Parts: sequence; C-alpha cells; structure tokens
Amino acid sequence: QSVLTQPPSVSAAPGQKVTISCSGSTSNIERNFVSWYQQFPGTAPRLLIYDNHKRPSGIPDRFSGSKSGTSATLGITGLQTGDEADYYCGTWDSILGAGIFGGGTKVTVL
Amino acid sequence: EEQLLESGGDLVQPGGPLRLSCRASGFIFTTYAMTWVRQAPGKGLEWVAGISASGASTYYAESVKGRFTISRDSSTNTVSLQMSGLRAEDTAVYYCVKSKAVARWFDPWGQGTQVTVS
Repeated sequence: QSVLTQPPSVSAAPGQKVTISCSGSTSNIERNFVSWYQQFPGTAPRLLIYDNHKRPSGIPDRFSGSKSGTSATLGITGLQTGDEADYYCGTWDSILGAGIFGGGTKVTVL
Repeated sequence: EEQLLESGGDLVQPGGPLRLSCRASGFIFTTYAMTWVRQAPGKGLEWVAGISASGASTYYAESVKGRFTISRDSSTNTVSLQMSGLRAEDTAVYYCVKSKAVARWFDPWGQGTQVTVS
C-alpha cells in the first residue's frame, strides 16, 4: 500500500489526452516538490517532470505536470503508441523522513 | 554524459549480507545527494535510502532501517549500500540514482543490479 495513490491504469486512443493523478497528504505532496517518471518494461525509469511542472531537456511538451494541495497530476497530450509505459509520481514525506513513490500507473494506447 | 554504474548484485541466502556499489561519472559528485531505489519483480518503485551531498545526513525507508547502511566516498565517486539481515522481500532490482535534496527528483538512474534472496 503506497503512501501516494495513483490509478492502476489509464487508456486512450492515439492523439487523445490522458491524465494521471497522484494523491497524497499535507506531509508529502502539499509540502514538497513532486516529480514524475516513465518506465518501459525491463528498463530503468527516466525523469519526466520535476519540481511539480518542469520538464528536463529532451522531454517533449506533450508531457505536463501540475500540483494543487495534496494532489499532483501528469498530463500526456497527443498520445502515441510509444507512450505505453508505467508512470510513477514521487516526492519526500516530511513526517516519514523518507522518499516515497506512487504505486504506478500503466498507460495503454488503444 | 552523466553515468551511474552499479555492481554487487548477487544471489544471497536469507540473513546474509551483501554490499552494492555505484560508480558515478560525468557530474560533480560532491554537489548531489545520492539515492538507492529498488523494484521487486512485477512491482512498483520503492525508495530505499538516501545520503546528502556532503554525506553528513542519511535517510532510510522503514522497511530497511537498522539493516541497510548507505555511504559515499568522494575520492572514488562511489556510493554504497551495505545490506545485512537480508530477507526474501528484499529481492529486487536495485537502482542507484543521482538526486536533488535526497528526494526532490531522481536523474539519471543506473541500469540496476539484481539482488535475489533465496
């Protein structure tokens, strides 16, 4: 049971938009920066979004991040078959004194 | 290019020790925190341990506290994870990750090293 709650899966047709929610609490998401990661099977995760909404160089602007209160959201527009992967949110929990990740969301392109 | 190369993963018996190492290159090692994240087979990511840029502060997940120790050596740009009292539930791929402020963000990730406790 993860401290951060993500939907197990989301899906949409190519070209459409999906959003992935990450629900936490005051001690984690509300007080700290959120980051997002993309992971393809058998490979290491890669950073997609950091500091709630910033994109590292090389990440297309189809990927966006936002945060409000105790929740964060990853958006993917113009969905492509190459976006099929698992996505994780992460942050720091000020009470646990530890890093935490969401349980992960599998994105399927129909 | 920033790179992280893990080593030390192995098959180990329950209760046994194991030491993982991660050699960093391509960035100023002493200016970033370092973290270990693991992923059990078919499961999600689990933050395991982090160490500040200076090495003065360390942090652990509750599941490994008292059994794992993270350390770093700026002379060799290496971060290590000393594991003891290993359990079957510690079986996972262990990733070494460069991080900002221990858990603000993680980038890049190493390729991972497999630890199997059986």
